[in-house]
Amino acid sequence: GAVVSQHPSWVICKSGTSVKIECRSLDFQATTMFWYRQFPKQSLMLMATSNEGSKATYEQGVEKDKFLINHASLTLSTLTVTSAHPEDSSFYICSAGQNEKLFFGSGTQLSVL
Amino acid sequence: GESVGLHLPTLSVQEGDNSIINCAYSNSASDYFIWYKQESGKGPQFIIDIRSNMDKRQGQRVTVLLNKTVKHLSLQIAATQPGDSAVYFCAENRSRGGGNKLTFGTGTQLKVEL
Repeated sequence: GAVVSQHPSWVICKSGTSVKIECRSLDFQATTMFWYRQFPKQSLMLMATSNEGSKATYEQGVEKDKFLINHASLTLSTLTVTSAHPEDSSFYICSAGQNEKLFFGSGTQLSVL
Repeated sequence: GESVGLHLPTLSVQEGDNSIINCAYSNSASDYFIWYKQESGKGPQFIIDIRSNMDKRQGQRVTVLLNKTVKHLSLQIAATQPGDSAVYFCAENRSRGGGNKLTFGTGTQLKVEL
């Protein structure tokens, strides 16, 4: 299957700082990528749809000013958690599709102190 | 359906036995379904998919069954192995005309006992 690379795998930051997570499609182009959030023992919750060359589409209840998404090329989308707080600590996962199948990155564990 | 913060249901099976993991979906308009396996600390891994015009599809050691009448999906794993221990999610595609916006089910923790 297609490969989606996500970086970093884990990050620890201080409250109030910003953290950027990268998602790359390695062997295919993706005009659309998706960002999910997952708490322990829970399912994946879609946060936003990242669209190459245009604004991201956010799900209801997700603050677009807090979770900045940039999809500047067909192989890269970034999620920036701005002014992070402890409640933002979670597992963030990106995905990209090829022929209707979605492939996922390895996830980023964010811990905000 | 959407996760509402419940603890994951757990299925425990003996090594070598068959496993059946069930999922109920909510939207009768969904036309594409996928099963994912997620190991601890990793992203979901594609296992098998099925379209709504089918009721069964087989892969290597896995079979997916779709019952559109009762909006039910199941994943059968034959001869379960310790490496199958993980959380399994079903996902449904609610986007008409294409697109990959998936909605994930609650998930089931599969534990394989030696």
